[in-house]
Amino acid sequence: QVQLVQSGAEVKKPGASVKVSCKASGYTFTGYYMHWVRQAPGQGLEWMGRINPNSGGTNYAQKFQGRVTMTRDTSISTAYMELSRLRSDDTAVYYCARFIAARSAQHFDYWGQGTLVTVSS
Amino acid sequence: EIVLTQSPGTLSLSPGERATLSCRASQSVSSSYLAWYQQKPGQAPRLLIYGASSRATGIPDRFSGSGSGTDFTLTISRLEPEDFAVYYCQQYGSSPPGVTFGGGTKVEIK
Repeated sequence: QVQLVQSGAEVKKPGASVKVSCKASGYTFTGYYMHWVRQAPGQGLEWMGRINPNSGGTNYAQKFQGRVTMTRDTSISTAYMELSRLRSDDTAVYYCARFIAARSAQHFDYWGQGTLVTVSS
Repeated sequence: EIVLTQSPGTLSLSPGERATLSCRASQSVSSSYLAWYQQKPGQAPRLLIYGASSRATGIPDRFSGSGSGTDFTLTISRLEPEDFAVYYCQQYGSSPPGVTFGGGTKVEIK
């Protein structure tokens, strides 16, 4: 069965960087885009960007351009999201999610369990 | 960038009642690109509806989606206790590639 297992919670100081991992299993890792979505406490869902695990190509939301880097290691079926120059308002749960891209369907079908990143001095 | 506006922000209903949730887009969205998710506290979102009206695997038939263009609706025909949660609509845009979520509708017990 498809599973996305993320790394554990992190506490970082303002200005630092955080790198969250997402290990995929149960399907061909290179066959589906992986996206990252975050959710601040009590807030809605916010799209950060995506990576094509096959080519390594990325697209980032404008809000995060210059601060986010998404990478992958196909040998271990793992995607990574690194966010730099952290601020207190980056405190959120970060999710990876597998994206279905078909002619009649474009949506997330599987999500990781989420990784809480807390930014605090 | 397409903006999705969900209404109402909160819906207070009793078990057994019908819930009607709205998602309005700032410009026309392909039905294929519109999905709905349910999220409960402490959990990741769960796919309910894709392609505006197709139920995801394992989703009960009391959940239905409809709409086209700029107006989409998620209907829960008879609320069960486990349906009280937050619901999000989501669309995918291809140029430039990106995903947008609505602000969410909380369905709470009245």
